[in-house]
Amino acid sequence: GAGVSQTPSNKVTEKGKYVELRCDPISGHTALYWYRQSLGQGPEFLIYFQGTGAADDSGLPNDRFFAVRPEGSVSTLKIQRTERGDSAVYLCASSLNPTGLAGMQFFGPGTRLTVL
Amino acid sequence: AQKVTQAQTEISVVEKEDVTLDCVYETRDTTYYLFWYKQPPSGELVFLIRRNSFDEQNEISGRYSWNFQKSTSSFNFTITASQVVDSAVYFCALSEGYSSASKIIFGSGTRLSIRP
Repeated sequence: GAGVSQTPSNKVTEKGKYVELRCDPISGHTALYWYRQSLGQGPEFLIYFQGTGAADDSGLPNDRFFAVRPEGSVSTLKIQRTERGDSAVYLCASSLNPTGLAGMQFFGPGTRLTVL
Repeated sequence: AQKVTQAQTEISVVEKEDVTLDCVYETRDTTYYLFWYKQPPSGELVFLIRRNSFDEQNEISGRYSWNFQKSTSSFNFTITASQVVDSAVYFCALSEGYSSASKIIFGSGTRLSIRP
């Protein structure tokens, strides 16, 4: 596809359940980012991948959150034992090249997660 | 530590009025990038502009203009002759360093409503 895609667009789950959110970056983009946007706030950084490895996971709020990118393309954000406070829009972004000039991060439409 | 402050939570103006959205940032780096993004009701983040810390020239793009002042750590955004389609939440953001690997730090956003 032409842009970053995220699935599902909406996810409703119950407290304590496990969820997986998927991100398909723009083809050829080596850098991939996850952000979380709570209601009325700006996006907050969670984790950044360069290729298959997590280069910066300083934004993950706790060990219930985990993300993978096994083949350096698609990424999955995994949340264990979900809590109501995890309800937010989870945004994924990708950029072409991590070196040189600060590249543009292209954002996907997000996954709206609601924990009941 | 890096921080972006958008003091205006909400602004409402009548169509065709000019409006300025304020942004103040904090960073210890001498090299950084500043951004503005638009988030319409559809939710997707739309990139508007990126400026690096070494370029203080003001920029104009159609009805949009940006005023970057390092002396006051501000990067304000003005919409001239506003239109209803400009209604959205606007985010100012900061990325430290000179690599696209840097995470983006967002402000809390300004909700702009343009009344017909």
